[in-house]
Amino acid sequence: AQRVTQPEKLLSVFKGAPVELKCNYSYSGSPELFWYVQYSRQRLQLLLRHISRESIKGFTADLNKGETSFHLKKPFAQEEDSAMYYCALHLRNTDKLIFGTGTRLQVFP
Amino acid sequence: EPEVTQTPSHQVTQMGQEVILRCVPISNHLYFYWYRQILGQKVEFLVSFYNNEISEKSEIFDDQFSVERPDGSNFTLKIRSTKLEDSAMYFCASSDEGGGQPQHFGDGTRLSIL
Repeated sequence: AQRVTQPEKLLSVFKGAPVELKCNYSYSGSPELFWYVQYSRQRLQLLLRHISRESIKGFTADLNKGETSFHLKKPFAQEEDSAMYYCALHLRNTDKLIFGTGTRLQVFP
Repeated sequence: EPEVTQTPSHQVTQMGQEVILRCVPISNHLYFYWYRQILGQKVEFLVSFYNNEISEKSEIFDDQFSVERPDGSNFTLKIRSTKLEDSAMYFCASSDEGGGQPQHFGDGTRLSIL
């Protein structure tokens, strides 16, 4: 069955520390993965997608098919990065997005 | 920047009553979606809609649920006879293309069933 796993409910770091939010997926097809972010009192919004291979707000994520992972990384966390982060898997030939349970990132000053 | 808008932001309804959640997708988008998030759980896909018909639905989307695009701008989710377990945050989303294109989400409607 298709599944997205985000093992950490909460990740707390100090400003300037590196951050890695973990995401693993289970899918028999060719995966298409996204990271969505929800800042406090704001809507869910796209942060990045694996096919773009771009860095947004200093975040990057690499698809590792061997480890079935799509971890989100940032070398130096900022306080404004504090938010809820959701990893999502798009199922090919459908319009369906499968979300993980989310990880709350807290960046302390 | 254009946004998906949802009304109301909070809906309180007695169990067994019908409820309609409203969404105005981004104007040039063609694909529309509803998701729900029960408190403390993950965001779950309910249904996708394209070309005036449901293109995909999950097992959650049973006969109690229906969607409609009554005019050129609104996209509604109706729950015919609400149950306590329908209490959740309901998110509408839209995209200009289907498949893996990024979806733009609304702020959500918090539905509380008493």
